[in-house]
Amino acid sequence: DAGVIQSPRHEVTEMGQEVTLRCKPISGHNSLFWYRQTMMRGLELLIYFNNNVPIDDSGMPEDRFSAKMPNASFSTLKIQPSEPRDSAVYFCASSLLADNEQFFGPGTRLTVL
Amino acid sequence: GENVEQHPSTLSVQEGDSAVIKCTYSDSASNYFPWYKQELGKRPQLIIDIRSNVGEKKDQRIAVTLNKTAKHFSLHITETQPEDSAVYFCAASVTNFGNEKLTFGTGTRLTIIP
Repeated sequence: DAGVIQSPRHEVTEMGQEVTLRCKPISGHNSLFWYRQTMMRGLELLIYFNNNVPIDDSGMPEDRFSAKMPNASFSTLKIQPSEPRDSAVYFCASSLLADNEQFFGPGTRLTVL
Repeated sequence: GENVEQHPSTLSVQEGDSAVIKCTYSDSASNYFPWYKQELGKRPQLIIDIRSNVGEKKDQRIAVTLNKTAKHFSLHITETQPEDSAVYFCAASVTNFGNEKLTFGTGTRLTIIP
């Protein structure tokens, strides 16, 4: 198994631009999580899906952030418009419901200038 | 919601000595407590976990203990080695079917001194 796949691995963009981060969970996993990691705030859960349905988006910082999971093998996290304070590493993780262990992807390092 | 506190934020130990990291949680309904290790520039990876029906779990040099009454759990690493240097995160979760949200602690940067 290839594990959780994220793209791009690095993204540099200018303030105001739209950014789309992509995630492919491990095949067969039915829970998907988006996290943001910064030095100041640590590892924060943004949103998670069970069986492609958003369950808890209370961690999404603002309306500028949105996430979708159109099918079991793909999810996106979109930031529009981006701001410098969005600079962070964004991790996607997946798991099996009732198994609990979350497998993290390699992350996307986002820099907003 | 759940709140997880983790101490210390940094820890340095001599190679071969033991390291202990402690976490407390607030939600008495939490029943799953994983520990993740994150090396510099890498992704967090699960190293050990414990469920609320178990008081202690051990895997080679790593052990985790859980005190449900006091709502705290700890990670113990014995015979530390340089490759143990990393940031360690504890987490807590209520694992009813359909609710798998993990709340993470703020992390402990462990440095093993050769």
